[in-house]
Amino acid sequence: DAGVIQSPRHEVTEMGQEVTLRCKPISGHDYLFWYRQTMMRGLELLIYFNNNVPIDDSGMPEDRFSAKMPNASFSTLKIQPSEPRDSAVYFCASSLRSLGDTIYFGEGSWLTVV
Amino acid sequence: QKEVEQNSGPLSVPEGAIASLNCTYSDRGSQSFFWYRQYSGKSPELIMFIYSNGDKEDGRFTAQLNKASQYVSLLIRDSQPSDSATYLCAVRGTNAGKSTFGDGTTLTVKP
Repeated sequence: DAGVIQSPRHEVTEMGQEVTLRCKPISGHDYLFWYRQTMMRGLELLIYFNNNVPIDDSGMPEDRFSAKMPNASFSTLKIQPSEPRDSAVYFCASSLRSLGDTIYFGEGSWLTVV
Repeated sequence: QKEVEQNSGPLSVPEGAIASLNCTYSDRGSQSFFWYRQYSGKSPELIMFIYSNGDKEDGRFTAQLNKASQYVSLLIRDSQPSDSATYLCAVRGTNAGKSTFGDGTTLTVKP
């Protein structure tokens, strides 16, 4: 069974450009999470969805960040405009409530903003 | 106070020794507790979860939970160099579906 699939795996972009990260969760999972990981701040939850509905976006750092989940098999995290301090690894993850909430992570999108 | 706190580390143990990793949490209503392992440059992967007070064993790994003390630990017996990684504690609180991660403890097992 395919795991969580993220794209792109690596992205280098210039400050001010729009960045879109994509995620396909594990089929049948009802929760989807976007995390950001940096050395300084560790693993931070940005936003999570339940059945495609955003439940908690309190971790989204500012208005430059937005996330959508138009259907059960696809989500995007968008940064516009991007800044160097947004450089991080962005993980998408999914879980199934009835399976005890184990979170399965994608391989991550490594973002560098120069 | 952080919601989930772990030993700052790094922790270094010789091969074959027991490695002990600790985690405390602030939400008394927390219900599920997870240990993830993250190798450098990789994504976190689940090692164990525990829901009830006491010990839970899986091979060389034992998770221990004490809800009264709001404390969860992970013991790794017969540590191997391949266990060298960062270990993340995660706690699912009263907010259904949401898990909060600690900053992680980096473990090095020396041959």
